[in-house]
Amino acid sequence: GAVVSQHPSWVICKSGTSVKIECRSLDFQATTMFWYRQFPKQSLMLMATSNEGSKATYEQGVEKDKFLINHASLTLSTLTVTSAHPEDSSFYICSTLGAGDTQYFGPGTRLTVL
Amino acid sequence: QKEVEQDPGPLSVPEGAIVSLNCTYSNSAFQYFMWYRQYSRKGPELLMYTYSSGNKEDGRFTAQVDKSSKYISLFIRDSQPSDSATYLCAMSYNNNDMRFGAGTRLTVKP
Repeated sequence: GAVVSQHPSWVICKSGTSVKIECRSLDFQATTMFWYRQFPKQSLMLMATSNEGSKATYEQGVEKDKFLINHASLTLSTLTVTSAHPEDSSFYICSTLGAGDTQYFGPGTRLTVL
Repeated sequence: QKEVEQDPGPLSVPEGAIVSLNCTYSNSAFQYFMWYRQYSRKGPELLMYTYSSGNKEDGRFTAQVDKSSKYISLFIRDSQPSDSATYLCAMSYNNNDMRFGAGTRLTVKP
């Protein structure tokens, strides 16, 4: 299956700063990537669908100006949390859509906003 | 070696069959084990949550964890066409940061 990496694996930042999270498909050209947010003991919340070369599709309730997604190449999608606040602290996971609609998940990024 | 291994299938069974889904893992520090169900193009929903070893039953679903073998299972009894989905296992050592399996695509035929 496809190998997906995320960078950084964890990040601590001050309130008001912006944080960029990278999601890379290492051995597969991913035209579609997904960004999720995970709260403890809860289901993954789909934030947006990222399509290479076009604007991301955001789920209802997700602020597109706060969570900027860029999918500039077939192997890289980035999620930028702008003007982060403590309530944005969470575990962010990306996935790529592979053959047969199989999703391959990245290892996740733990964001802590102080 | 991946931390979590899961056979992506696809798995096709007739309605009413017992379904067995499995994952193996390599990190002995994992303590929390979860099963998610994901319908096409939707986000995964948490189905079962287990801490440490043992069994947990919820309706037609039973989750088993064998930490000595680093092996977890999800059983679905009396499977229904509405159970057709992709099932993902996930695990964590700290109940926060999770590692996912690739997911097994299940089809239950009427």
